[in-house]
Amino acid sequence: GAVVSQHPSWVICKSGTSVKIECRSLDFQATTMFWYRQFPKQSLMLMATSNEGSKATYEQGVEKDKFLINHASLTLSTLTVTSAHPEDSSFYICSATGSGRSDEQFFGPGTRLTVL
Amino acid sequence: RKEVEQDPGPFNVPEGATVAFNCTYSNSASQSFFWYRQDCRKEPKLLMSVYSSGNEDGRFTAQLNRASQYISLLIRDSKLSDSATYLCVVNADSWGKLQFGAGTQVVVTP
Repeated sequence: GAVVSQHPSWVICKSGTSVKIECRSLDFQATTMFWYRQFPKQSLMLMATSNEGSKATYEQGVEKDKFLINHASLTLSTLTVTSAHPEDSSFYICSATGSGRSDEQFFGPGTRLTVL
Repeated sequence: RKEVEQDPGPFNVPEGATVAFNCTYSNSASQSFFWYRQDCRKEPKLLMSVYSSGNEDGRFTAQLNRASQYISLLIRDSKLSDSATYLCVVNADSWGKLQFGAGTQVVVTP
């Protein structure tokens, strides 16, 4: 149990386009989902926390108008990178926690974004 | 100063040997501590939680020193499959927010 999927697993796009990444909890209801970004040889950096049905809480320095997060259901959260630029190229990982579970976060497999 | 600091390594370890490394954290109010393992280009996977009394899971032993604010991980009888980056993770608040170290790379050699 406790499986989290992400789609797509990798994406290459042109500068200026928008990219949507989906994060799904497959076998549990995720009350909270977290979005992270990881640059090579660096730690995972939390971008935002989203709770189902409410607005995401963004970390300091993360532009909410550039990284749009929608958590419309208990099993799906999406991250849209708007007007992507090469500096947005990174590994984006989501994680989820569910009600009734421990505080363990279950991670998706990540999405590797390359912006040309 | 980083919230969670780790020696990046790499720690080159002969197969069968023991390796240990630490991580320090800055938030004295942290209550939950974890070691995650991350393979190249993959997501982190929980290796073990770290409890105040220290805990062991097979060949892996974790220790917590609250006074000095550090956590350690020891791997005994290293296997080639133990080669990975080990992430020290600390909770940042009571809402599940986690802070990750940059990881310690371990390379087990035949």
